[in-house]
Amino acid sequence: DIQMTQSPSSLSASVGDRVTITCRASHDISNYVAWYQQEPGKAPKLLIYAASTLQSGVPSRFSGSGSGTEFTLTISSLQPEDIATYYCQKYNGAPFTFGPGTRVD
Amino acid sequence: QVQLQESGPGLVKPSETLSLTCSVSGGSIDTNYWSWIRQPPGKGLEWIGYIYNSGNTYYSPSLKSRVTLSIDTSKNQFSLRLSSVTTADTAVYFCARGVGFGQIDNWGQGTLVTVSS
Repeated sequence: DIQMTQSPSSLSASVGDRVTITCRASHDISNYVAWYQQEPGKAPKLLIYAASTLQSGVPSRFSGSGSGTEFTLTISSLQPEDIATYYCQKYNGAPFTFGPGTRVD
Repeated sequence: QVQLQESGPGLVKPSETLSLTCSVSGGSIDTNYWSWIRQPPGKGLEWIGYIYNSGNTYYSPSLKSRVTLSIDTSKNQFSLRLSSVTTADTAVYFCARGVGFGQIDNWGQGTLVTVSS
């Protein structure tokens, strides 16, 4: 099975900072990657799918890029409401594995 | 707007079977993927599996021997059964909708299931 890793596992940033999170797949998964944001005590929320397509209603400060085995999620200017844990997920075929998460605080 | 709601016991004894149901409102269960994901306390997300409206299923290899997903289109519900549970199965269980090629665009609020005697 394809494994997903994320780096860093956690990061501290200030309001207005540019934040980049990396997700790597153990094998080529084309662009079948989604990114989710999970605030404490809440269900995850879809931010990005197909590696770079912004989900409807998601602020434009979020962006995604990459293909193959390396993907990035970027927050161009961190806002207080962006404090959360971010997960990538592969969905090019079952199992739809999640990455271990990156905590942003 | 589609809404999903998990229901089922919050406490299950070790070696017994965990059973949860997800009720879907505001949309039909006749299309898309219907998934279960869990999250142990303080840990990350674990994909359990999904079921199509046709009844075809795909399971996580690590749980495949213990998991059964089913769907009832007449009730707009789908269900999870996890057998022979241990304390390691204690988690918040989410039901969710997958669209397109599989990205999950809609989640239930999650329900905590504790495995304890």
